[in-house]
Amino acid sequence: DAKTTQPPSMDCAEGRAANLPCNHSTISGNEYVYWYRQIHSQGPQYIIHGLKNNETNEMASLIITEDRKSSTLILPHATLRDTAVYYCIVRVDSIQGGSEKLVFGKGTKLTVNP
Amino acid sequence: KAGVTQTPRYLIKTRGQQVTLSCSPISGHRSVSWYQQTPGQGLQFLFEYFSETQRNKGNFPGRFSGRQFSNSRSEMNVSTLELGDSALYLCASSLSAAVSHKIYGYTFGSGTRLTVV
Repeated sequence: DAKTTQPPSMDCAEGRAANLPCNHSTISGNEYVYWYRQIHSQGPQYIIHGLKNNETNEMASLIITEDRKSSTLILPHATLRDTAVYYCIVRVDSIQGGSEKLVFGKGTKLTVNP
Repeated sequence: KAGVTQTPRYLIKTRGQQVTLSCSPISGHRSVSWYQQTPGQGLQFLFEYFSETQRNKGNFPGRFSGRQFSNSRSEMNVSTLELGDSALYLCASSLSAAVSHKIYGYTFGSGTRLTVV
């Protein structure tokens, strides 16, 4: 089962920041938070990931609370092309090379409105 | 840089038949995973291969199988197709942490849309 909880849907106005929350209250110390998004009929697209520090890349920012029980993905200036289902995933990464898999929940359907 | 390539994009099969789907990962990626996506169950993990070895398997019946070749290309096979196997099958590749000791995301292909009639 997915270890994350997300709201099923959100709306955002074009040009405004989209803040997508995720709860992962049972996260373990060696588990990373990953965000992917899936635009209709395409494969999921990697956005960003983090362990405990806030992260930023060209697509988004990831804010992780100090207790690591929740996080927020921020799209600073949402466009119509950001309309997609956003998945928050908790994933164990084994540097020793153990098996890796993603457990997807239902995600948040973000609709960016003109 | 070429992305993850899945073939075919669309497929229609009859119940009872078998099907083979193909995935070519990004050059240099040795980890390949397969996922099934349906409206009811969402995205579910099928299996993951690394260096021609299956490292992990999801909760699917034995009709679902896969393999990986020495060039990291992977195939998955579904035998005795059922109507419920109709789904989008996604392949994802990754530069595994076992190789780089860094953490990477997965890159997904566009998927194969399988319809069983």
